[in-house]
Amino acid sequence: EIVLTQSPATLSLSPGERATLSCRASQSVSSFLAWYQQKPAQAPRLLIYDASNRATGIPARFSGSGSGTDFTLTISSLEPEDFAVYYCQQRSTWPPAFGPGTKVDIK
Amino acid sequence: EVQLVESGGGLVQPGGSLRLSCAASGFTFSSYGMSWVRQAPGKGLEWVSGISDGGGSTYYAASVKGQFTISRDNSKNTVYLQMNSLRAEDTAVYYCAKVAGAYFFDYWGQGTLVTVSP
Repeated sequence: EIVLTQSPATLSLSPGERATLSCRASQSVSSFLAWYQQKPAQAPRLLIYDASNRATGIPARFSGSGSGTDFTLTISSLEPEDFAVYYCQQRSTWPPAFGPGTKVDIK
Repeated sequence: EVQLVESGGGLVQPGGSLRLSCAASGFTFSSYGMSWVRQAPGKGLEWVSGISDGGGSTYYAASVKGQFTISRDNSKNTVYLQMNSLRAEDTAVYYCAKVAGAYFFDYWGQGTLVTVSP
């Protein structure tokens, strides 16, 4: 079973700064990786699928990269509404699995 | 507009049962797989179960296999999760989610809280 590790656990940044979040898989997941954003008391929202494709309606400041075992979610310039928890998820092997999350909070 | 609305959560005693429902609208329900994902209080996301578009194939996490049953009624645009022999560790918000592409989740419901407690 593939295990996803996310780092850092918490990222403290100011609005306007660049956020770089990492997701590492215990074995290759090819490009079968997605990123989700979750705000308090809300359902997760799909941001990125297939490692680098933005989902419908997702602003261009969100970008994903990577393949194999190392992936990155980049938020080019943080907006106030971007402070949230971010999860990666793989579906290269069964079952689908999520990483533990990275919390992006306001510095 | 895609909408997923869960219902059926609540407080149940250990060993009890609940059936969750998720009513879908805004897309051709019978053309998509559906899944349930749960989130224990203060914890991360855990995929629980999935069902194919026609309902012929079902999938379960090891943690709930034999305990939960997923089903769907395409005439009612609804997916269900029957949960039996509930334990304290099943306490969570349960989300239904529409499956897209290589089993990612492009739309989510608002969630329904299941609390297992004496």
